[in-house]
Amino acid sequence: GQQLNQSPQSMFIQEGEDVSMNCTSSSIFNTWLWYKQDPGEGPVLLIALYKAGELTSNGRLTAQFGITRKDSFLNISASIPSDVGIYFCAGSQGFGNEKLTFGTGTRLTIIP
Amino acid sequence: SAVISQKPSRDICQRGTSLTIQCQVDSQVTMMFWYRQQPGQSLTLIATANQGSEATYESGFVIDKFPISRPNLTFSTLTVSNMSPEDSSIYLCSVSGQRYNEQFFGPGTRLTVL
Repeated sequence: GQQLNQSPQSMFIQEGEDVSMNCTSSSIFNTWLWYKQDPGEGPVLLIALYKAGELTSNGRLTAQFGITRKDSFLNISASIPSDVGIYFCAGSQGFGNEKLTFGTGTRLTIIP
Repeated sequence: SAVISQKPSRDICQRGTSLTIQCQVDSQVTMMFWYRQQPGQSLTLIATANQGSEATYESGFVIDKFPISRPNLTFSTLTVSNMSPEDSSIYLCSVSGQRYNEQFFGPGTRLTVL
């Protein structure tokens, strides 16, 4: 099945640094969602985006819905140890409550 | 957000056997989905569990291998039939609708097939 291309695949950063990751698709999506998955857990929803060009924040997280509807970006400011995990983007052809296509994931590691 | 539980949380099974995974939600939801996450990989949708009718399967997934039930608006089961080592994955249910426009995931069931 289709997957969204997510980059970078992995990141190694120091605590306090800012993080940027993005997700691109060859198809248009009408909803973009960003999830974080910790080891042994299910994905946890971070941010949902519903309109092209939309910029939404949730604490230190900021995400944008690309104007072409084919991409999305997630930024994390001033990273802290609990930010470690795998971040997934997900797109829906309809709303966020419909079936999702997931990105390949970005693994974030914080170097002591 | 919805509170979702899955049983079992993990299991180790023998080749050729079947395992039924349960997903329970604390409130009524419109949509329930089943995803598979193979080791080190992303999530792939298996099927949409429809209440009162047959599930809708994605390409590459069939009912004989992954039968699904959804008897009401808070409960669904996924069976992994005639298992082989290639079925070793995390199986996740997700829910949406009614009170939620977004999709929320359960904790997952980690399956190992020997």
